Amino acid sequence: QLQLQESGPGLVKPSETLSLTCTVSGGSIRSSSYYWGWIRQPPGKGLEWIGTIHYSGSTHYNTSLKSRVTISVDTSKNQFSLKMSSVTAADAALYYCARLISGWNYFDYWGQGTLVTVSS
Amino acid sequence: DIQMTQSPSSLSASVGDSVTITCRASQSISSSLNWYQQKPGKAPNLLIYAASSLQSGVSSRFSGSGSGTVFTLTIIGLQPEDFATYYCQQSYSTLYTFGQGTKLEVK
Repeated sequence: QLQLQESGPGLVKPSETLSLTCTVSGGSIRSSSYYWGWIRQPPGKGLEWIGTIHYSGSTHYNTSLKSRVTISVDTSKNQFSLKMSSVTAADAALYYCARLISGWNYFDYWGQGTLVTVSS
Repeated sequence: DIQMTQSPSSLSASVGDSVTITCRASQSISSSLNWYQQKPGKAPNLLIYAASSLQSGVSSRFSGSGSGTVFTLTIIGLQPEDFATYYCQQSYSTLYTFGQGTKLEVK
């Protein structure tokens, strides 16, 4: 059974960089059939797609976040990561990682999410 | 970017009822539309992909339809576990976008 687990600091200071990692277990990240993505959800609000990455390194980013976001992949560790720079209170959210089925482009497996607070 | 708009934002219904949620795209997205269910404190769960294909393991009470710019998610014979928030997601563009969600509550 595929599992995804987010990890990283739960508290980030304003103007600093948010860094999260998603560890994939029960399957390989090195498959042409999948992309791997980050989605966030501010408390009490809806879902916002942040970006996706293929194990080859191909990425797609949300237009509104593109200037601040970098997603990378480490196939040796079966992990992919999110970095978001210059965070503000508006970036406080539950951050999910998920698997995207390439072609159909739906998210079929999700992590449990990790809460990130932005505060000094 | 493609904007997705769901209606209604919230909906009250009773066990046994049937309900329909609508999702509209700002441009034609063919059948590239997915539906998710999210319960409090849980990650979203895929229900329907490609507008009308039922994800494996999902109850046949759920069905999806539509193409172009207007899509619907229908739940027949509501069960207690169906009260949750539902999101649509367009997969036509690789700049994926979600609807704002529809909260289905117990009447």
